[in-house]
Amino acid sequence: DGGITQSPKYLFRKEGQNVTLSCEQNLNHDAMYWYRQDPGQGLRLIYYSQIVNDFQKGDIAEGYSVSREKKESFPLTVTSAQKNPTAFYLCASSMEGGGAVQYFGPGTRLTVT
Amino acid sequence: AQTVTQSQPEMSVQEAETVTLSCTYDTSESDYYLFWYKQPPSRQMILVIRQEAYKQQNATENRFSVNFQKAAKSFSLKISDSQLGDAAMYFCAYRSSLHIIQGAQKLVFGQGTRLTINP
Repeated sequence: DGGITQSPKYLFRKEGQNVTLSCEQNLNHDAMYWYRQDPGQGLRLIYYSQIVNDFQKGDIAEGYSVSREKKESFPLTVTSAQKNPTAFYLCASSMEGGGAVQYFGPGTRLTVT
Repeated sequence: AQTVTQSQPEMSVQEAETVTLSCTYDTSESDYYLFWYKQPPSRQMILVIRQEAYKQQNATENRFSVNFQKAAKSFSLKISDSQLGDAAMYFCAYRSSLHIIQGAQKLVFGQGTRLTINP
């Protein structure tokens, strides 16, 4: 059963704590992405990775960090430096290539209080 | 930088009727890709349809079709025979074909249109 999994579905943290969101795919896709969605808005790119051990900042990378040690996994850490971390986070993956479709995971809702 | 605009925050349609969702975009590139994604209440993003800018023929997927007007930079989505399961947020998205350039891989999303289906 191929697809993208994200865990957990809901995550609650206290302000000042780092938190890591999981993203795993078994589609054998080279590229992986993290997007953030705020209420009433479209998605904005946080980080992306085209290949293992390489990743690039997106439009809103400040306060976030990622790693890509395995092709299947692309975890996102929301650090205490992120000023407004409460949001819905979506992970996606695709084959490499400009027209490749990005497939999305089910998302993680992060609430920081 | 590319931008995508969806000017209809909300739309509603009677079940079995046809509805068209609007999308315009701004780019200086001649080759690119356009997508419509659906986000139901579960919030998972689901691909509805994809269009290559170099193709003049409008893409279709069953009840979903697009009207791609490259000169006008317009990419509307038509849903025929609307069903209750079509109720969702719909997002228009743009992606550059220049995938080897840093930052070009991202999808640029519009703000979304919330579609309600009236039974």
